[in-house]
Amino acid sequence: GIQVEQSPPDLILQEGANSTLRCNFSDSVNNLQWFHQNPWGQLINLFYIPSGTKQNGRLSATTVATERYSLLYISSSQTTDSGVYFCAVRPSSSGGYQKVTFGTGTKLQVIP
Amino acid sequence: EAQVTQNPRYLITVTGKKLTVTCSQNMNHEYMSWYRQDPGLGLRQIYYSMNVEVTDKGDVPEGYKVSRKEKRNFPLILESPSPNQTSLYFCASSLDVQETQYFGPGTRLLVL
Repeated sequence: GIQVEQSPPDLILQEGANSTLRCNFSDSVNNLQWFHQNPWGQLINLFYIPSGTKQNGRLSATTVATERYSLLYISSSQTTDSGVYFCAVRPSSSGGYQKVTFGTGTKLQVIP
Repeated sequence: EAQVTQNPRYLITVTGKKLTVTCSQNMNHEYMSWYRQDPGLGLRQIYYSMNVEVTDKGDVPEGYKVSRKEKRNFPLILESPSPNQTSLYFCASSLDVQETQYFGPGTRLLVL
């Protein structure tokens, strides 16, 4: 099946700093989402971004489907950004396009 | 309010005692899915459903059953729970297979 790797696995930032999180996938996809899991365990949608670039406030995301990666940018980080960030993909292949595979996650800690 | 609800939120049970975790969505979504989250393994898909009476296995279906008799409900059944099914379980739904997934609050299950 498709492999999804995220980097870095852990990240500590000073409040106000910027960061880039990466999601690499091993096969072509037609669906990619970014999620934030807050310290209470809740999974929150950030972006649905199978291709192109989107922005929402201090967050933006870019997916280059032809090169099989996606980037999540966090600018002017705040302590409330702490948690784990996941990407999740659905492959384009006819045999498994209904399945969803999550990446390994990036654990972010923003310190005051 | 559009949402995905799960019940119970927390459950402690014993090996072999059948249990059901309910999942319901009020957004008229066709696609529903169950995931488990374990430390070091991330989120893995258990089962998914493309529509009423259409279900299929995800990556870790062993020991679980599901049913989709109505569009809004997608219960997860553990007929004979074992300690290795201790986990955090999430239900999710989306308008269709290609759209944004929305997650429930999670169910923490401990099997003794």
